[in-house]
Amino acid sequence: DIQMTQSPSSLSASVGDRVTITCRASQSISRYLNWYQQKPGKAPNLLMYAASTLESGVPSRFSGSGSGTDFTLTISSLQPEDFATYYCQQSYSTPWTFGQGTKVEIK
Amino acid sequence: EVQLVESGGGLVQPGGSLRLSCEASDFTFSTYEMNWVRQAPGKGLEWVSYISSSGSTMYSADSVKGRFTISRDNAKNSLYLQMNSLRAEDTAIYYCAREKETAHDSGSWWYFDLWGRGTLVTVSS
Repeated sequence: DIQMTQSPSSLSASVGDRVTITCRASQSISRYLNWYQQKPGKAPNLLMYAASTLESGVPSRFSGSGSGTDFTLTISSLQPEDFATYYCQQSYSTPWTFGQGTKVEIK
Repeated sequence: EVQLVESGGGLVQPGGSLRLSCEASDFTFSTYEMNWVRQAPGKGLEWVSYISSSGSTMYSADSVKGRFTISRDNAKNSLYLQMNSLRAEDTAIYYCAREKETAHDSGSWWYFDLWGRGTLVTVSS
């Protein structure tokens, strides 16, 4: 199975900050990497697929990069509604696997 | 409204069984692959099971293999998860998730583009 490791596990940031979350795969997954946002008590919501393709309706302050084993999710200017937990997920091979999540909290 | 609505969760004793359902609305259910994903209390996301659009192909996580069975009824726009021999560690919110496929030059991207709100399964005596 492909292991997905996110860092950090949590971070504190202020509105307007630039935030970067890293996701590393245990083997090369090309660009088969998706990002989800989950707010408390809600289902996950797709942000991005293919490492850098923004899902329709997702604000442009979100961006993604990477290929192979190392990927990043960047929020260019953190907004109040962005405080949530973010998960990466590989779709290179089954079983589909998720990172452990990164919780973005208010500083 | 395009949505997925899960039902069937509840409290069950260890060793017991439960059948979850997920009803799809306002999209052509029969053309999509579907999945179950779970989340234990305070924990991360764990993929559980996959079924192809026709229902002919299924995959499951090792943690549930031999105990959980995914199925679908395209005529009823519904996805199911039959859960047997339940254990305390199966306690979680269970989400159904639609899998979207987008073609690219040399293949396809796959991702979960629509999720239900989830149904809580608690396994406890």
